[in-house]
Amino acid sequence: DTGVSQNPRHKITKRGQNVTFRCDPISEHNRLYWYRQTLGQGPEFLTYFQNEAQLEKSRLLSDRFSAERPKGSFSTLEIQRTEQGDSAMYLCASRHGQGGGNTIYFGEGSWLTVV
Amino acid sequence: KQEVTQIPAALSVPEGENLVLNCSFTDSAIYNLQWFRQDPGKGLTSLLLIQSSQREQTSGRLNASLDKSSGRSTLYIAASQPGDSATYLCAVKGGDDKIIFGKGTRLHILP
Repeated sequence: DTGVSQNPRHKITKRGQNVTFRCDPISEHNRLYWYRQTLGQGPEFLTYFQNEAQLEKSRLLSDRFSAERPKGSFSTLEIQRTEQGDSAMYLCASRHGQGGGNTIYFGEGSWLTVV
Repeated sequence: KQEVTQIPAALSVPEGENLVLNCSFTDSAIYNLQWFRQDPGKGLTSLLLIQSSQREQTSGRLNASLDKSSGRSTLYIAASQPGDSATYLCAVKGGDDKIIFGKGTRLHILP
């Protein structure tokens, strides 16, 4: 069990460029979550998947954001036409199964700086 | 809409003291509550998970309690150490499987 892996860990991009982050969850975890965290705030829910199905998207996720989990394993989060307000840490998390009993595990996050 | 509040936002205590962090949530229909630790610039590390049917969980010097009906949880840290300095986050999971976080308590243990 290697934990939740996120890449890249850091990304600096110019405003208007597209960026993509990848998340590899713990194997056999069928639930995968994306969160965004800015300085001094708690993580804010963006979206989550059960296997390959995207179950919910937050209002925070504008049409410039898209997330996929094509084979129910790794997931990507793409931000198109980045804006300075997108600068944040993007956290991925996974957990196994349904119901209340299972701990959620987080990756180390991907830092995005839009200049 | 579930809202999670953590008080205080920041706390400094001398090494060796016991301390309590507070978490409250507006919708008591939760499946579980989880406490996390976050070091600066890092991801989140799970500390304790309390099921909705449980009252408390313990791990080492940490004890978390849950009063679901009143929408409250506390994280008790005994005999604090400088290495405990971090941000502590509380998160609740509802029936829709969303996990909602508070803004955290920044804890600083003074050597």
